[in-house]
Amino acid sequence: QSALTQPPSVSGSPGQSVTISCTGTSSDVGSYHRVSWYQQPPGTAPKLMIYDVSSRPSGVPDRFSGSKSGNTASLTISGLQAEDEADYYCSSYTSTNTLVFGGGTQLTVL
Amino acid sequence: EVQLVESGGGLVQPGGSLRLSCAASGFTFSSYWMHWVRQAPGKGPVWVSRIDRDGSSTDYADSVKGRFTISRNNAKNTLYLQMNSLRAEDTAVYYCARESQSGDYKYDALDIWGQGTTVTVSS
Repeated sequence: QSALTQPPSVSGSPGQSVTISCTGTSSDVGSYHRVSWYQQPPGTAPKLMIYDVSSRPSGVPDRFSGSKSGNTASLTISGLQAEDEADYYCSSYTSTNTLVFGGGTQLTVL
Repeated sequence: EVQLVESGGGLVQPGGSLRLSCAASGFTFSSYWMHWVRQAPGKGPVWVSRIDRDGSSTDYADSVKGRFTISRNNAKNTLYLQMNSLRAEDTAVYYCARESQSGDYKYDALDIWGQGTTVTVSS
């Protein structure tokens, strides 16, 4: 199972919005609603930010939103804050009953 | 407090074995599917394995199938990963993680993660 494809880096200024894409195939992202997004600051474990494409766990700010079109899922962070600077990873359920992660996107808040 | 604490990592020679443990607390361990995920230095997470609530069903990534075995002891609130025939490419931080669920419906998303334990395979 190949990793999902994410841009290596994105950046934005405080208050702006950024969108991170996550491209898979018809065997994962394209066929299932089971897409998740994780935030990982350096030296820490990943934290679940979005599940089921667009649902937010309790405690995650509504500045974080998710969507999907075809084989590509997206994470949008609006009203960018300095504390949002971290690596972001997408994940999807697959047709082989496994999970696959993306390669990660480093978000820099300018 | 809901918590997962991994242990058992260390330095092992290629071809060697290691058993990781993950102690769960603060939630009803036996009610949740559990996973192992690993992350090599500077790389993204890679899913390794999953086990259902009573240990009767398991799944593995192709890269570890036949070498790694996931198991659990619900009486001890502990998840395990037995790793045999270790290779240099197995070097990573290994995380245990809880699968998010609502009642009996599970989301294939990991809502609680441990701090990780480091496995280094080198001669």
